[in-house]
Amino acid sequence: QSALTQPASVSGSPGQSITISCTGTSSDVGGYNYVSWYQQHPGKAPKLMIYEVSNRPSGVPDRFSGSKSGNTASLTISGLQAEDEADYYCNSYTSSSLVVFGGGTKLTVL
Amino acid sequence: EVQLVESGGGLVQPGGSLRLSCVASGFTFTNHFMTWVRQAPGKGLEWVASIKQDGSEKNYVDSVRGRFTISRDNSKNSLYLQMNSLRAEDTAVYYCARDRAGIIYWGQGTLVTVSS
Repeated sequence: QSALTQPASVSGSPGQSITISCTGTSSDVGGYNYVSWYQQHPGKAPKLMIYEVSNRPSGVPDRFSGSKSGNTASLTISGLQAEDEADYYCNSYTSSSLVVFGGGTKLTVL
Repeated sequence: EVQLVESGGGLVQPGGSLRLSCVASGFTFTNHFMTWVRQAPGKGLEWVASIKQDGSEKNYVDSVRGRFTISRDNSKNSLYLQMNSLRAEDTAVYYCARDRAGIIYWGQGTLVTVSS
C-alpha cells in the first residue's frame, strides 16, 4: 500500500494555469477510473474537487479539471485565484479493495 | 443537510485503547459505504478503513490491520472505530466520511493523541 506520488509543491501567478500530477500503478490509478482530487485549507476538512477522474461535483468551478493517462492522473487549475492556495490530494481505489491517497501538493499562488 | 459528527477522541497512553464514534444524519445511512480517514499533525491524508453498507466487507490500511476495528450500527446511523494497541504514530485527526471514493461529505474530525 504505497502512497500515490505527487509533487510536494507547485506555484503559479493569478490567472495562470497549473497542473498537479498523481502517479500510481496499474493496480490503482491505471486500473480504475476512481481517482478523486481534494482541496484542503489549513484547519479545515478536505473538499472534493474532482471524482471519477474528471467529474466535478456541483458547485466546483469549471476552472478545475481532471484527466488520466496510464498510471498518472492530473488536476489542472486554470485562471488561478488567490483562494485556490491550499493543499491538494489525489486518491484512488485499488485492486485490493483498498483506498490510497497521494502525499499531497502545496499550491502557492504568487 | 448531511451531517457527520465524530466523538471519542482524546489523550491516551501508548498501548491503550479508544473508541471513536460518528453519528450520521441527512441521508440514508444504509445506502453508503462509510470510511475513516486520518491526518497526523502537519502531514497528509491517510485512508484508515472502510465498511460496506451491511457491514459484510471491511478493509483496512496495513498499518492498523489487526489493531483497529471498523463497525457500524445501521439502527443508530452510527459508525465506529475501535482502536487498540495505540502507538505514537496513530496520533492524528480522525475524520468520518461518507462513501469510499469520491468523498463529498466529511465530519469535522476528532483529535487522537497517543502520548505518555
